[in-house]
Amino acid sequence: EAQVTQNPRYLITVTGKKLTVTCSQNMNHEYMSWYRQDPGLGLRQIYYSMNVEVTDKGDVPEGYKVSRKEKRNFPLILESPSPNQTSLYFCASSLGTSSYNEQFFGPGTRLTVL
Amino acid sequence: RKEVEQDPGPFNVPEGATVAFNCTYSNSASQSFFWYRQDCRKEPKLLMSVYSSGNEDGRFTAQLNRASQYISLLIRDSKLSDSATYLCVVSNQAGTALIFGKGTTLSVSS
Repeated sequence: EAQVTQNPRYLITVTGKKLTVTCSQNMNHEYMSWYRQDPGLGLRQIYYSMNVEVTDKGDVPEGYKVSRKEKRNFPLILESPSPNQTSLYFCASSLGTSSYNEQFFGPGTRLTVL
Repeated sequence: RKEVEQDPGPFNVPEGATVAFNCTYSNSASQSFFWYRQDCRKEPKLLMSVYSSGNEDGRFTAQLNRASQYISLLIRDSKLSDSATYLCVVSNQAGTALIFGKGTTLSVSS
């Protein structure tokens, strides 16, 4: 089954404790992206990757890191999480970025930073 | 002006009603336009792409007016299962990101 998977789905952590949210897709997609969704603010892009070893900042990259060492994986790293990073996170992938390329989203990771 | 603006609703309609959602976007250079559907904080899923000529998929019709920078979604014969949040989505000029509206909530009741 074609899908985007994220782990963990739920995480409660404390300020400053490094964490990684994994994202993997099995559709051989070149483009991958991370979004966060907050009440009243909608979905906002954190980082994206056009291909292996090619990553760039989105609208809200502060406090996050990413890597793209393999085509299928795009982990999101929070080196020192803070309470303002409490949010619902979605990973997405697509073949490319044209209007014909649907973005497929993972099921989401609900993160709480205490 | 916000990049993508939608009426947040909620729209409360009875089954069988026709409902229309509107959306405006600020970047005239945007090339790709979509409507996504999101259920109860689950992942967004593509409902339909929106083309300049307009397009229809069953009970759903999407229209794009580039001159006015306006996108619409029409849902005919609403079903209970249409209850969700509908997200208007526009690509940035470079095509490297999707810009999401905050969504319009639809509640269809029997």
